[in-house]
Amino acid sequence: AQSVTQLDSHVSVSEGTPVLLRCNYSSSYSPSLFWYVQHPNKGLQLLLKYTSAATLVKGINGFEAEFKKSETSFHLTKPSAHMSDAAEYFCVVTLYSSASKIIFGSGTRLSIRP
Amino acid sequence: GAVVSQHPSWVICKSGTSVKIECRSLDFQATTMFWYRQFPKQSLMLMATSNEGSKATYEQGVEKDKFLINHASLTLSTLTVTSAHPEDSSFYICSARSGGGSDTDTQYFGPGTRLTVL
Repeated sequence: AQSVTQLDSHVSVSEGTPVLLRCNYSSSYSPSLFWYVQHPNKGLQLLLKYTSAATLVKGINGFEAEFKKSETSFHLTKPSAHMSDAAEYFCVVTLYSSASKIIFGSGTRLSIRP
Repeated sequence: GAVVSQHPSWVICKSGTSVKIECRSLDFQATTMFWYRQFPKQSLMLMATSNEGSKATYEQGVEKDKFLINHASLTLSTLTVTSAHPEDSSFYICSARSGGGSDTDTQYFGPGTRLTVL
């Protein structure tokens, strides 16, 4: 069965420092993986997705993620945090079926210190 | 990119009334849309999968007579909360799937609807 685990419920970094949000998945096949961001009282915005092409995926707003099959990980990174990056981040994996349901991680709240 | 809208963005209603929420894919056709519910500081909970031209598929524990879903066209799905009660107050988010129905498809999310039942 597929599952996704976000290892940190809250991450706090200083503005201008690197961001690392961790995500591990469990899947019996090669999954499609996504990162979404949600600002307060807003819907979810797609940051990036991995679908078995290049293992290093570049997304919007300077974010990128690397798919590591050996580690079953899909961590999200950004070299330099900006105050506007403060939000909730969700790692998502797609179920292998025609219904294409997706499984959400529990979310990581990113705080940025001035 | 693909855009999904929801209307209204927020609604306040009295207990016992019904509320309809619309979800539209603005620049693509979506044979499948999804309805989620999100409690404060929690992840999204899938309520149902809405298929154009057929009945919705509800997740276990979701009352289909309480949360009526209609997917009348390839760009519109509606969620009606019938006889709403305060415990139905929540943030409701829809998504629309862009693609041919494979596991590489992307779901694009609406901005959400905040429902408050007094």
